[in-house]
Amino acid sequence: QVQLQESGPGLVKPSETLSLTCTVSGYSITNEYFWGWIRQPPGNGLEWIGSTHQSGNTFHNPSLKSRVTMSVDTSRNQVTLKVTSVTAADTAVYYCVRVPITPSASHFDNWGQGTLVTVSS
Amino acid sequence: DIQMTQSPSTLSASVGDRVTITCRASQSISSWLAWYQLKPGKAPKLLIYKASSLRSGVPSRFSGSGSGTEFTLSISSLQPDDFAIYYCQQYNTYPVQFGQGTRVQIK
Repeated sequence: QVQLQESGPGLVKPSETLSLTCTVSGYSITNEYFWGWIRQPPGNGLEWIGSTHQSGNTFHNPSLKSRVTMSVDTSRNQVTLKVTSVTAADTAVYYCVRVPITPSASHFDNWGQGTLVTVSS
Repeated sequence: DIQMTQSPSTLSASVGDRVTITCRASQSISSWLAWYQLKPGKAPKLLIYKASSLRSGVPSRFSGSGSGTEFTLSISSLQPDDFAIYYCQQYNTYPVQFGQGTRVQIK
């Protein structure tokens, strides 16, 4: 059974870079799925950040694209997220997700429990 | 971008009730719609994909219907474990978008 676990600093200073890691267990990320990130600011709804594949093929939300980098580390079975120049608006619970390949965009069939990242000085 | 509108935002119901949540898209998304269940401190769960396909392992009291711009998620007989927040999501085109969520709470 696939499990996803997010990890990283819970507190990031404004203007710095948010870095998170998603460790995948029970499934090899070299298989045919994309992997992605979704976030949920406190009291708000869900926002898709982006999805990436080990091939380097990546889709970003235009609202964040210029600040987001995602990568897949097949040797560690991990997915990473970096968001640069963070502000308080980036405070959210960040979820790692597995993304099935479909003829269109995609849904998300497995999620991590999420990790809260607070941006504050 | 395609906008997704859910209604109601909050729903109060009792165990055993049938409940229905509606999701509307600002333009046609064919059947590219998913439903999720979120509970505090737990990993969100995919319930329905492609508008009406039940994810393996999800109880059969959950069902989805619709196509084009109007969709529904129904729970035939609400169970204590079903009190949660439900989100729809369109995946017809990027960027994918979620509805604003429907909280199902105890009446």
